Amino acid sequence: QQQVKQSPQSLIVQKGGISIINCAYENTAFDYFPWYQQFPGKGPALLIAIRPDVSEKKEGRFTISFNKSAKQFSLHIMDSQPGDSATYFCAAKGNNAGNMLTFGGGTRLMVKP
Amino acid sequence: EAGVAQSPRYKIIEKRQSVAFWCNPISGHATLYWYQQILGQGPKLLIQFQNNGVVDDSQLPKDRFSAERLKGVDSTLKIQPAKLEDSAVYLCASSLGPRGSGEAFFGQGTRLTVV
Repeated sequence: QQQVKQSPQSLIVQKGGISIINCAYENTAFDYFPWYQQFPGKGPALLIAIRPDVSEKKEGRFTISFNKSAKQFSLHIMDSQPGDSATYFCAAKGNNAGNMLTFGGGTRLMVKP
Repeated sequence: EAGVAQSPRYKIIEKRQSVAFWCNPISGHATLYWYQQILGQGPKLLIQFQNNGVVDDSQLPKDRFSAERLKGVDSTLKIQPAKLEDSAVYLCASSLGPRGSGEAFFGQGTRLTVV
């Protein structure tokens, strides 16, 4: 079940730089696209989410860009900080009654001081 | 607001033994999920409950895995017998359900090691 493909698998960014993580999906029935942040030993925590009726959503240093025609969405972390070092997962959920949340494979981000 | 509670945090068992995990979702959340997260991979949905009914269990290895959600609140996930490849973190999550925003809240997970 590879309905959501995420890249890159790992990313190293200098402090203050921009981190960019990309995801592509296949199922056009998906209508909710969250990004989760996971620290070691913890469960994933919702970072930011978008619905397909908008092309961009910004919350603080985190921005989701959404391209419905290309079936792609990306996470941009501006002014990346060492505390942002974590694994990031994109996900997608359909609009059926089941509302199953499908995750990408994850990106391990390391922000160097 | 209390989060999703899971226990135990860690479990080490030998192959062919059985194990059970427990989850208490956020109060009022109708939807409960069990995910399996193998090291270095994204969470994979095993089963999804809506109240006490199963919505999706298509990826649950039913010959060895079982789950129940009695009274639409707490849930248990059982593996019997365990195999080496079951070593993973088992995450429980909950959400309000179809009428909610879609946000799923995760517990800290149970790390299972099968030796």
